[in-house]
Amino acid sequence: DTAVSQTPKYLVTQMGNDKSIKCEQNLGHDTMYWYKQDSKKFLKIMFSYNNKELIINETVPNRFSPKSPDKAHLNLHINSLELGDSAVYFCASSPLEETQYFGPGTRLLVL
Amino acid sequence: QQQVKQSPQSLIVQKGGIPIINCAYENTAFDYFPWYQQFPGKGPALLIAIRPDVSEKKEGRFTISFNKSAKQFSLHIMDSQPGDSATYFCAARGSVQTSYDKVIFGPGTSLSVIP
Repeated sequence: DTAVSQTPKYLVTQMGNDKSIKCEQNLGHDTMYWYKQDSKKFLKIMFSYNNKELIINETVPNRFSPKSPDKAHLNLHINSLELGDSAVYFCASSPLEETQYFGPGTRLLVL
Repeated sequence: QQQVKQSPQSLIVQKGGIPIINCAYENTAFDYFPWYQQFPGKGPALLIAIRPDVSEKKEGRFTISFNKSAKQFSLHIMDSQPGDSATYFCAARGSVQTSYDKVIFGPGTSLSVIP
């Protein structure tokens, strides 16, 4: 049983397109996150949701919009993709104040 | 104030050696310090974590040393093995009572253990 799953695993698309990444966790955690990992492996938090409510929104272009339909899902929609959006995007979940469990990542390449 | 510094950027040791990765932070609101291990093509996974009320924590071959006054902590890997080759991230998190209730990651250390 996969704890935190993401789809798709790979995403190759043209500049200007709109794309979505889906995330699901079956751990019963209240909090879910999106992270971006750049080519130098630096991990930066983008968003955090607690029980479907946005609690952290870092300085991220408003082309990125998270959506949490329920506690177990947190999707990321990206409009007007740019070259600089190419990265690995990780979804994670955690119980309150505890450690985070990461998904396998979505490798996004914008051409 | 929200940064976590980590060194070295990369590390090569021979099998059986003891790699040491060092981290430092500024913000005294941080009260939870996890280490994550990431293999190529995978997501980061928790390795070991410590809170500032203890100075050392050991789990198997992995040990965290914590110096609260210096605001530094480090990871030691005893009897390192080629399978330990990965990127290691230190991190820090404040409690939900503060505005720092999110995990701040260090920039990572790429460890290679050669046979």
